[in-house]
Amino acid sequence: SQELEQSPQSLIVQEGKNLTINCTSSKTLYGLYWYKQKYGEGLIFLMMLQKGGEEKSHEKITAKLDEKKQQSSLHITASQPSHAGIYLCGADRDSGYALNFGKGTSLLVTP
Amino acid sequence: EAQVTQNPRYLITVTGKKLTVTCSQNMNHEYMSWYRQDPGLGLRQIYYSMNVEVTDKGDVPEGYKVSRKEKRNFPLILESPSPNQTSLYFCASSPLGDTGHGYTFGSGTRLTVV
Repeated sequence: SQELEQSPQSLIVQEGKNLTINCTSSKTLYGLYWYKQKYGEGLIFLMMLQKGGEEKSHEKITAKLDEKKQQSSLHITASQPSHAGIYLCGADRDSGYALNFGKGTSLLVTP
Repeated sequence: EAQVTQNPRYLITVTGKKLTVTCSQNMNHEYMSWYRQDPGLGLRQIYYSMNVEVTDKGDVPEGYKVSRKEKRNFPLILESPSPNQTSLYFCASSPLGDTGHGYTFGSGTRLTVV
């Protein structure tokens, strides 16, 4: 079965700094999703990547899927306290109809 | 507003007392699913449904039941809850064959079984 490993597990950055979160899959990714979760709350969809080399941006968040489609990165530029939360990557399974999730990266942004 | 609504948000119950967590979506999505989230284990799928009257087991279905009598509703039933079902539960939905906008998740139900 597919496993998604996220790194780092947790991150503390100073406001204004850039940061990157990685998601590595044990198998080829057919659809890779990034979600943000405020502690104990629901998941908010950020973006989805499907094609090797694809890159998408939303406000100050950019996500990329590598050419081999086994790794994705999420980059936040000029972080703000509102970026704090848990970032989760999810991937479509071979059989579809479910997402496998990584364990998440906890982000804290300090003033 | 397009959304997935779960109720209740918080629930404390006793072992063995049947309960139902409701999930409703207003986006006419065919696909609906239940996940549980536990520390160190992440999100795991419990059950999913491709359409009305079509349901199937996910990764951790033991101790749970679901039904899909209407397209918009997908309740999660715990016939005899046990403490190991204490968890944060999420309902999600998406249109079949078009997940480019992601699966939409509800706000979660935090269940404690004592």
